[in-house]
Amino acid sequence: GAGVSQSPSNKVTEKGKDVELRCDPISGHTALYWYRQSLGQGLEFLIYFQGNSAPDKSGLPSDRFSAERTGGSVSTLTIQRTQQEDSAVYLCASSLVNNYGYTFGSGTRLTVV
Amino acid sequence: AQTVTQSQPEMSVQEAETVTLSCTYDTSESDYYLFWYKQPPSRQMILVIRQEAYKQQNATENRFSVNFQKAAKSFSLKISDSQLGDAAMYFCAYRSGNQFYFGTGTSLTVIP
Repeated sequence: GAGVSQSPSNKVTEKGKDVELRCDPISGHTALYWYRQSLGQGLEFLIYFQGNSAPDKSGLPSDRFSAERTGGSVSTLTIQRTQQEDSAVYLCASSLVNNYGYTFGSGTRLTVV
Repeated sequence: AQTVTQSQPEMSVQEAETVTLSCTYDTSESDYYLFWYKQPPSRQMILVIRQEAYKQQNATENRFSVNFQKAAKSFSLKISDSQLGDAAMYFCAYRSGNQFYFGTGTSLTVIP
């Protein structure tokens, strides 16, 4: 696609439920990144994919968080047993390998009630 | 560890005036990239300007320019002739390899 697409744009879920957030990167971008942005905060790195593999998962905050990427394209970030502290905007970005910068999606705003 | 510091949580500027946003970073590497991203209320992070560390010349993009001081590890953004559409959060970022490090952002208000 022309840009990085994220869905849903907004998600409200009850505490304890599982959620899936989707990212569709720019076609041909092999690198894909997930970040979390809490209210009024900067960007917190979660995970990075190169193709379908994730060489760096160091930012995942707990084992309730997981992510996968299939076909070198779409990625899904799953949060199990959501907690109120998981409420944030989840941003996805993609880039060409060895390119300068990212192209970001518009994010998914997750609210856990 | 690489860190990026933006010491100004909020800034304001009169329309048509000039404003400078500060950023400092910490690294032991010699080859890296620096960026400024803009995030309006739409949440979309938009690349404003980038600078390669090996280039001494400061990057410029229309009304946006940077003052890159490598020895001081400083990378400030100057916005000239500020416009209402410039109002947004601005994030400074450092890239080394495949990892980006972001500052906590500066919220810019443009006063008509």
